[in-house]
Amino acid sequence: EIVLTQSPDFQSVTPKEKVTITCRASQSIGSNLHWYQQKPDQSPKLLIKYASQSISGVPSRFSGSGSGTDFTLTINSLEAEDAAAYYCHQSSSLPHAFGGGTKVEIK
Amino acid sequence: QVQLVESGGDVVQPGRSLRLSCAASGFTFSGYAIHWVRQAPGKGLEWVAVVSYDGINKYYADSVKGRFTISRDNSNNTLYLQMNSLRSEDTAVYYCARPNSGTYYGPVDYWGQGTLVTVSS
Repeated sequence: EIVLTQSPDFQSVTPKEKVTITCRASQSIGSNLHWYQQKPDQSPKLLIKYASQSISGVPSRFSGSGSGTDFTLTINSLEAEDAAAYYCHQSSSLPHAFGGGTKVEIK
Repeated sequence: QVQLVESGGDVVQPGRSLRLSCAASGFTFSGYAIHWVRQAPGKGLEWVAVVSYDGINKYYADSVKGRFTISRDNSNNTLYLQMNSLRSEDTAVYYCARPNSGTYYGPVDYWGQGTLVTVSS
């Protein structure tokens, strides 16, 4: 069973700053790692698929990188609307797994 | 457009049963595996189960194995989650979630709005 460890748990950031969230898998998952954004009282929304592939309609300030066991979600020039929780998700093998989440707060 | 609408959430006592439903529309339901994912209050996302497009193959998280059963009715475009022997730790919002491919693998590109299950005496 693959475990995803996300860090940090929480980040308080000023608008226009850069945010970096990491996700580490307990074993290699290739590029089968996806990122979601979840705002309060909303369902998750897909941000990045297969580690680095962009999603139509998602602002270009969101990007992903990594492969194997180490992955990164980067938010360039944070905006107020980016206040949310962010989760990584591995679909390489069953059971699927999600990271513990990172809450991003706007200062 | 793709829609997933969950229902059936309720307040139930520990040890009791509950069945959740997820009504799908806007896509060829019988062509997709579908997941259940849950989220306890104030906590992160937890994968629960997945069923293959034809309903034959089913996989579960260890935390629910033997207590929950995922199933589907492709003639009515509906996914189910039968939850037995409920525990307080099953309290969560339950989402049905469609992967962007037809298989178990790949990202989830559509989520329902969720239905709340509260297990409490």
